[in-house]
Amino acid sequence: EVQLVESGGGLVQPGGSLRLSCAASGFTFSDNYMNWVRQAPGKGLEWVGRIRNKGGRYITEYAASVEGRFIISRDDSKNSLFLQMNSLKTEDTAVYYCARDFYYKSDYWGQGTLVTVSS
Amino acid sequence: EIVLTQSPGTLSLSPGERATLSCWASQSISSSYLAWYQQKPGQAPRLLIYGASTRATGIPDRFSGSGSGTDFTLTISRLEPEDSAVYYCQRYGTSLPTYTFGQGTKLEIK
Repeated sequence: EVQLVESGGGLVQPGGSLRLSCAASGFTFSDNYMNWVRQAPGKGLEWVGRIRNKGGRYITEYAASVEGRFIISRDDSKNSLFLQMNSLKTEDTAVYYCARDFYYKSDYWGQGTLVTVSS
Repeated sequence: EIVLTQSPGTLSLSPGERATLSCWASQSISSSYLAWYQQKPGQAPRLLIYGASTRATGIPDRFSGSGSGTDFTLTISRLEPEDSAVYYCQRYGTSLPTYTFGQGTKLEIK
């Protein structure tokens, strides 16, 4: 069974940093591209970024809203995905989901972790 | 940047009826790149349809997708109370942003 479990969310002040993790199991993590998607309270879904696999040279892609502030990485030896969030803004407050990327779609999602940016 | 516009914003129907949800793209997109998701309150999104018309694993055949170019449709026949949710269309792009979501359609079952 595919499982994705996010962790690391919490309350952080504007300008601060936070690192989210996503633990994957039930599939060959190293084979897959992985996405981060977020959802602000009461709002819709927003794609944050993606990291390719080793064959894709671990290339990362980001939404314009987080480019230069967020960094996606992965540790295939630990089946783990990460999202380093720097220079956080109040508008980054959201539930952050990791999701497996599979041929132009996200077919499995974690349950999400809440990040609140507030003073 | 391609924008996806969903309509209606909210849809209120009775059990047993048919729901028709629309997703319009500001530019033509490949059908291979269009997916639909269902999100219930407090839950993560769930993949329903990909490639515009292929049901994901475990999705009942009451859910169907169609369309091409700029106009795509998600149809839910024989509505059940459990179909109450927000439905999002999503487009994959070969240039940034890699993925774009529509703003969602909220389906209420009376």
